[in-house]
Order: sequence, then C-alpha cells, then structure tokens
Amino acid sequence: DVKVTQSSRYLVKRTGEKVFLECVQDMDHENMFWYRQDPGLGLRLIYFSYDVKMKEKGDIPEGYSVSREKKERFSLILESASTNQTSMYLCASSLFKGQPQHFGDGTRLSIL
Amino acid sequence: GQQLNQSPQSMFIQEGEDVSMNCTSSSIFNTWLWYKQDPGEGPVLLIALYKAGELTSNGRLTAQFGITRKDSFLNISASIPSDVGIYFCAGQALGGFKTNFGAGTRLFVKA
Repeated sequence: DVKVTQSSRYLVKRTGEKVFLECVQDMDHENMFWYRQDPGLGLRLIYFSYDVKMKEKGDIPEGYSVSREKKERFSLILESASTNQTSMYLCASSLFKGQPQHFGDGTRLSIL
Repeated sequence: GQQLNQSPQSMFIQEGEDVSMNCTSSSIFNTWLWYKQDPGEGPVLLIALYKAGELTSNGRLTAQFGITRKDSFLNISASIPSDVGIYFCAGQALGGFKTNFGAGTRLFVKA
C-alpha cells in the first residue's frame, strides 16, 4: 500500500512566520503534489513536482514555495504566513504522469 | 485548473437506500477517478476508470466512465452509516500531470 505521510496533523502559527509543511512518500513515486482544501472550493493545486529539484506552479502558487531535494520528500513553504492561508493542506503522490494520486491525511493549519 | 461540476452538493439519505452522484466536464478526460474523504482524513481512491463506457465495481460501489468522456457517475447500493463522508470525482487529461477535482458530494446517512 502507498503511504503518504504528512509531518503534522494540526499546526498553529502566527502571521508573518515562515512555515514548513513536510510530506514523505515511501513508494518511489515520481510525482508529488500540494493542495489546499477549503469548504465549497474543493481541492486546489498549489505546486507539483515531477522529479527531484523540479517544480511547477499549480493554480494558486502565490504566497507559497516548494522544495524537493530528495525523491521521497516534498516540502511546502509559506514564506510569510497570512490569515488567509488558514486551511487544510493535502499532499499527494503518483507513480507516473496520468496515474491516480494517493493522498496523505492532511495538515490543518491555522494562522493567527 | 478546470473545476468539474459535481452534483448533488449534499445528500441526506436513510440507511439501506441507494445513492447516485455524477460529475460533468466541458473537456474530455482520459481517466476518471472517484475518491472518498472521511472527516479529518485525506481522500482515498475508490475507483479508477480508464476507458469510455467502462463500468467498474468495488463492493457496493459502481462507477461508469461516460461515453462522451465528459462525465462519470458513482452509485452506492444499500448505504450504511460508514458511507458518510465527502465523495470527490476527478478527471485527468491525456499526458497531463494535473488532476481536476469536483467540489465534492457530502453524504449523510441516517441509521
């Protein structure tokens, strides 16, 4: 079974802080993704990566950056957290392009 | 990314009833996926469909890939309380990295 692990289930940070969300997958998947999930808006893609050190912007990249130094790990960075970034963040991975994505359990982030 | 039109937004049903939800798109997809998200958890893949017209079952769940490639539906037969959750449809275009998601159908089952 694919295991996608997000480092924190719940996180509370303050406005202006730099925030790191970590995600690790154990199935040697090529592609990794970061989404945010807000009520009524579904899942929105922030960034994705198709290889180590490679990244592509998704639909809502503003205010975020990512890092993929190793194949199994994909980090989401909030450069200067703001209250409108309070959300549920979901990490996902897929084996190849076009394959279904498998999700972690999510990190519920609150910015105060 | 393109948002899929998923309906209904929510459903309140009695245990034992059958459920049907669907998803439409203005674009053609080569893959349709259905996920379920339990409260406080991440989405879990239920069914993947790869061919137009394909009908696939997973226990009490049945999903179909529409002939036009622009729609899909999910049926749940004889619902039980643990079916409660949010069901998402998702579509993937040929050769694309991205997956387009519907806004979800929130299912409530009364015992």
